[in-house]
Amino acid sequence: SQQGEEDPQALSIQEGENATMNCSYKTSINNLQWYRQNSGRGLVHLILIRSNEREKHSGRLRVTLDTSKKSSSLLITASRAADTASYFCATAFTGGGNKLTFGTGTQLKVEL
Amino acid sequence: DGGITQSPKYLFRKEGQNVTLSCEQNLNHDAMYWYRQDPGQGLRLIYYSQIVNDFQKGDIAEGYSVSREKKESFPLTVTSAQKNPTAFYLCASSIGGQGGGEQFFGPGTRLTVL
Repeated sequence: SQQGEEDPQALSIQEGENATMNCSYKTSINNLQWYRQNSGRGLVHLILIRSNEREKHSGRLRVTLDTSKKSSSLLITASRAADTASYFCATAFTGGGNKLTFGTGTQLKVEL
Repeated sequence: DGGITQSPKYLFRKEGQNVTLSCEQNLNHDAMYWYRQDPGQGLRLIYYSQIVNDFQKGDIAEGYSVSREKKESFPLTVTSAQKNPTAFYLCASSIGGQGGGEQFFGPGTRLTVL
C-alpha cells in the first residue's frame, strides 16, 4: 500500500521561482525522506527528517514535518532547469523495520 | 566505485517465460530491496532482505521470487505467474538495522512482455 500521497501531481514553474510540494501520510513514522528521480533513472536520496525534527535544510532544499497533521513539505528555492524531475516522499513507519513506503510523486518541470 | 548495479537495462520477454533480473551492490549493505514502478506511479515493494539467507514478501510479491545467497547479490525472478509484468524494476540497498535509513538505488531494469 502507498502510505504517502503527494500534491500537486504535477508542477510547472519558471527558472528562479520556488517550488513547493507536499506529502501526507497515514500512520506513525520514525522518519520521512525525500527522493528525486530523473526520467527513466533510479532514485536519489535528497534529505531525511526524523519524527522529532520539525525543519531541515540542505543547500536549496528545505523540508518541514508536522507529525500532528501527518504531513511534510519540500521547498526548492531558486529553481533551475536541472531540477526538472519527479520527487517522492518515503516514510519509515513505526514498527516497519527498514521498509520505506513511497508516495505517488510530484512531477516538477522548471522552464527557462 | 561503490554503488549498486542492475542488469540488463532493458529486457524483453515472451509471455509464459520466467526471467531473472540482476542486482549487485558493493556498499557492504545488509539490507536489499526490490520495487516495481508503473508509469506515473510511485514505487511498490516486491521483496526485501535484511540479511543474507533471509527475505520477506513486500506488498506485491505474487508472481515473483528472490534469493539472497550472498550479501552482494539479490536477484529477482519474474515468473510466468505474474499477470502484468511489464514495468520498471528498481533495486535498492541500505545499511540495515532498524528505523528505515537512506536507500541507495540502482539504475533500474525496464521489462517488457511481448
